[in-house]
Amino acid sequence: AQTVTQSQPEMSVQEAETVTLSCTYDTSESDYYLFWYKQPPSRQMILVIRQEAYKQQNATENRFSVNFQKAAKSFSLKISDSQLGDAAMYFCAYTGTASKLTFGTGTRLQVTL
Amino acid sequence: GAGVSQSPSNKVTEKGKDVELRCDPISGHTALYWYRQSLGQGLEFLIYFQGNSAPDKSGLPSDRFSAERTGGSVSTLTIQRTQQEDSAVYLCASSFGYSSYNEQFFGPGTRLTVL
Repeated sequence: AQTVTQSQPEMSVQEAETVTLSCTYDTSESDYYLFWYKQPPSRQMILVIRQEAYKQQNATENRFSVNFQKAAKSFSLKISDSQLGDAAMYFCAYTGTASKLTFGTGTRLQVTL
Repeated sequence: GAGVSQSPSNKVTEKGKDVELRCDPISGHTALYWYRQSLGQGLEFLIYFQGNSAPDKSGLPSDRFSAERTGGSVSTLTIQRTQQEDSAVYLCASSFGYSSYNEQFFGPGTRLTVL
């Protein structure tokens, strides 16, 4: 079975600074996808960024980028120029042969002035 | 276009009662997923539909839980004889196709409280 681990229950960053959220996963599958989802207090899960395992190039979406280390099974999210609106729960997630998402336990990100 | 909608937004029920939670996926999305988010268990998969059939029910925690989907659209998650441990936020997601690369779009969830 696949597992996803987020070891940082809470993180804090100052506005305009950079923060990195960590995620590791375990799988025996060769083809899979990794995701970072954001969940604000409204509960709506929003996809932040996606990485295909077969791609060596790290995914980037505006201020969000990932550091995908396939051999180490690591998938961290970097948020640059943090904004107050970035404050939320962030979940790392995995899909493989089965399309259901397996989630980590989440990291609560606080953004301070 | 409209996103995934869920109703009710919040539901309070008494232990032992049955509840029905509804999910309206994005129009044209063939795959539909139910997840549960609770303090003790985190975010966990419950069931997945391809059209009206459910090839993966592996996440349903007990036979008190069931789900159906009709017309390839609306889905209902039913919990019979609710227990306090069923208290959680129930999230629905839909995607255009069945493959893992298809983005899942989530609804706002239904918060279920069992007294």
